[in-house]
Amino acid sequence: ELKVEQNPLFLSMQEGKNYTIYCNYSTTSDRLYWYRQDPGKSLESLFVLLSNGAVKQEGRLMASLDTKARLSTLHITAAVHDLSATYFCAVERNTPLVFGKGTRLSVIA
Amino acid sequence: EAGVAQSPRYKIIEKRQSVAFWCNPISGHATLYWYQQILGQGPKLLIQFQNNGVVDDSQLPKDRFSAERLKGVDSTLKIQPAKLEDSAVYLCASSLHGWLAEMQETQYFGPGTRLLVL
Repeated sequence: ELKVEQNPLFLSMQEGKNYTIYCNYSTTSDRLYWYRQDPGKSLESLFVLLSNGAVKQEGRLMASLDTKARLSTLHITAAVHDLSATYFCAVERNTPLVFGKGTRLSVIA
Repeated sequence: EAGVAQSPRYKIIEKRQSVAFWCNPISGHATLYWYQQILGQGPKLLIQFQNNGVVDDSQLPKDRFSAERLKGVDSTLKIQPAKLEDSAVYLCASSLHGWLAEMQETQYFGPGTRLLVL
């Protein structure tokens, strides 16, 4: 059974600081996704990572994938308040998506 | 391009009552998914349709939940009778081909229906 674990589950960061969210999964994967969810809203796709060593960047967010370690990271650079949201990773391996529990990020001044 | 539409957005019912949710996917998307998201958790897949056929319903509590996608477009998810633990957000998502496709595939999510069972 594919299991996906994220840490931390809660993160409070100061504006301007850097931090990394980790996503570990239990079996080899075909694809790994990062989603963002604002309170009361639906999920917005951020990144799709397909292969070992894949790195994608959008603004202050950068996602990477290490398939050998079964680990993906979401790095936040110089956080701003607008990044406050819950971030989910989700993994696909011959099955529909399995989501982690999410990391609730709060960026404070 | 219009996104995934869902209705109603909110629903409050008493336990043992019935409820139905509706989803209209992005035009042309063959695959439709229903997820249950309990507060503080990630979404959990309930059922996946490819056109009007069921691909995966292994996590659907079939004694009380049912879903259909009769014409391969819109879909309804029903709960009958509802239990307290069914309180959650029910998300509908669609993708162009589905996870069997070889190409990169992203699921697009609707706004969800927030269900409260009292």
